[in-house]
Amino acid sequence: QQQVKQSPQSLIVQKGGISIINCAYENTAFDYFPWYQQFPGKGPALLIAIRPDVSEKKEGRFTISFNKSAKQFSLHIMDSQPGDSATYFCAASNDMRFGAGTRLTVKP
Amino acid sequence: DAGVIQSPRHEVTEMGQEVTLRCKPISGHNSLFWYRQTMMRGLELLIYFNNNVPIDDSGMPEDRFSAKMPNASFSTLKIQPSEPRDSAVYFCASSQRRNQPQHFGDGTRLSIL
Repeated sequence: QQQVKQSPQSLIVQKGGISIINCAYENTAFDYFPWYQQFPGKGPALLIAIRPDVSEKKEGRFTISFNKSAKQFSLHIMDSQPGDSATYFCAASNDMRFGAGTRLTVKP
Repeated sequence: DAGVIQSPRHEVTEMGQEVTLRCKPISGHNSLFWYRQTMMRGLELLIYFNNNVPIDDSGMPEDRFSAKMPNASFSTLKIQPSEPRDSAVYFCASSQRRNQPQHFGDGTRLSIL
């Protein structure tokens, strides 16, 4: 079922550092690429999303970079904070299949 | 405004029993999704409804699982009979349309003994 491949599985970053999570997809018909953030005991919540007509989207400390030809997209978290510690999922339409998730830990 | 509401939040039952999970989507949302989350398999899409009609149920593991959406404000996911390997967190999510942001409920943590 996994049509979206996400890496790394886990990531440890120092406070103030940059966190980078990568995803690759297979189906060129996909046209919506969201990232979700999940805290323990909660459902995933939309963080930021991009459509393939742009190569980058930035919202505050969070940036999505999108490479249509390589069928890859990534999430960059600048100035990572301990409060960013969570599990991050990428997803791709039209099937809304999720990546396996990345557990991010930001150390103080 | 109310988000996606799931019930129960926790369910513990014995193998072989019938389990029914419930979901109330956000009013006005036309798409509803059921997911299952486990450590081993991550977040799996089980079934997707659009305008109350099941569109894609290819993720439903087997015939023991069934889902219904009798109206725009209510959906159920039923497991009969339940097995220990069904233990997981089940999420319901809704969106205005298919390629729009999904809003997730807080999930039902299911434990089958």
